Amino acid sequence: AQRVTQPEKLLSVFKGAPVELKCNYSYSGSPELFWYVQYSRQRLQLLLRHISRESIKGFTADLNKGETSFHLKKPFAQEEDSAMYYCALSGFNQGGKLIFGQGTELSVKP
Amino acid sequence: GAGVSQSPSNKVTEKGKDVELRCDPISGHTALYWYRQSLGQGLEFLIYFQGNSAPDKSGLPSDRFSAERTGGSVSTLTIQRTQQEDSAVYLCASSLGPPPEQYFGPGTRLTVT
Repeated sequence: AQRVTQPEKLLSVFKGAPVELKCNYSYSGSPELFWYVQYSRQRLQLLLRHISRESIKGFTADLNKGETSFHLKKPFAQEEDSAMYYCALSGFNQGGKLIFGQGTELSVKP
Repeated sequence: GAGVSQSPSNKVTEKGKDVELRCDPISGHTALYWYRQSLGQGLEFLIYFQGNSAPDKSGLPSDRFSAERTGGSVSTLTIQRTQQEDSAVYLCASSLGPPPEQYFGPGTRLTVT
């Protein structure tokens, strides 16, 4: 079965602290992994995808196939990072449909 | 350019009524997806269109739910005989075609009373 698990519903950190949002997946094959973000009163938007291996807004995520994880990290959190973060996977030859985790709300306090 | 648009933004309906939700994808995007965002369920895939055909309807929760897409553009999600558990935000997304970077609309908040 395909599944994405984000164990933390809420993660609260202080500005300048490191942040890691956890994501584990279950998929029999090689999925494509994504992080989507939803800022307050804004649309859901793509933050980054594992195949591009780039850093967006200081965030990075590395696909660990052995641990089936795709954790999102940022060394120094900013208040504007406060948002809802969703990890998602897309399976091979499935038309691009996304299977989402439950989401983690990140709150960065001043 | 214009992003994905959805209408209405909010819909309140009585249990048992039918509702239609509309999605206008980004021009030229061949793939269109419907998702549902509800408390406790997170974001769930409903249906995927490639052009006008729907090769994957696996996420539709019951036969009360149907969707169509005409002209490879606008899509309508119809829920018949609405139930209270249908209350959710219905999101539409479009992409140039898999593999996806999906662009999401603002959603339609459906409340069934």
